[in-house]
Amino acid sequence: KAGVTQTPRYLIKTRGQQVTLSCSPISGHRSVSWYQQTPGQGLQFLFEYFSETQRNKGNFPGRFSGRQFSNSRSEMNVSTLELGDSALYLCASSLLWGGNELPYEQYFGPGTRLTVT
Amino acid sequence: AQSVTQPDIHITVSEGASLELRCNYSYGATPYLFWYVQSPGQGLQLLLKYFSGDTLVQGIKGFEAEFKRSQSSFNLRKPSVHWSDAAEYFCAVWGNAGNMLTFGGGTRLMVKP
Repeated sequence: KAGVTQTPRYLIKTRGQQVTLSCSPISGHRSVSWYQQTPGQGLQFLFEYFSETQRNKGNFPGRFSGRQFSNSRSEMNVSTLELGDSALYLCASSLLWGGNELPYEQYFGPGTRLTVT
Repeated sequence: AQSVTQPDIHITVSEGASLELRCNYSYGATPYLFWYVQSPGQGLQLLLKYFSGDTLVQGIKGFEAEFKRSQSSFNLRKPSVHWSDAAEYFCAVWGNAGNMLTFGGGTRLMVKP
């Protein structure tokens, strides 16, 4: 089974621009989460989507947004880029959320390395 | 709110030596705990998880971890380290407010020949 794929793998943007990152989850997985990884702040949760609905959001400004499509693929968008947005953006997918609220493993993609100049 | 602390930022061990990476968590209910490994330029790979039951859990690549509720710890161990184990290791706790993970700051492992 193919893993989580993220495109593009590398991206260079200038301040003020916007960017869209894409994530394709493992087949059958309906939950997609996004994380930002930086040397200073480590791994931080951005948001999670399930069945095209955002269910949870981390402590990030409104410039960070996302969406999920009916095929579970997800995109995240960052508008008005700042230098501090330079990071590795990781996407993770999980199986269908169970009614008993037990967690499922999250499987991570290779990430998109965003550099803002 | 949940939190995870990995006290050791860097650890260096000799190849063939044993390894223990520390992880302490803060969580109000039964914790669901994970260890991930990240090689340079790569995403995160799940090593093992603890949901319930036996407090000693086995993972991939010869790793194991022991959950100790009294110490709020979930330390990762390996009896004999290989040079290919050099990477960064992250402990994480699952948060019940949505399908999210809270990660520790990571421990970078270096392996001496």
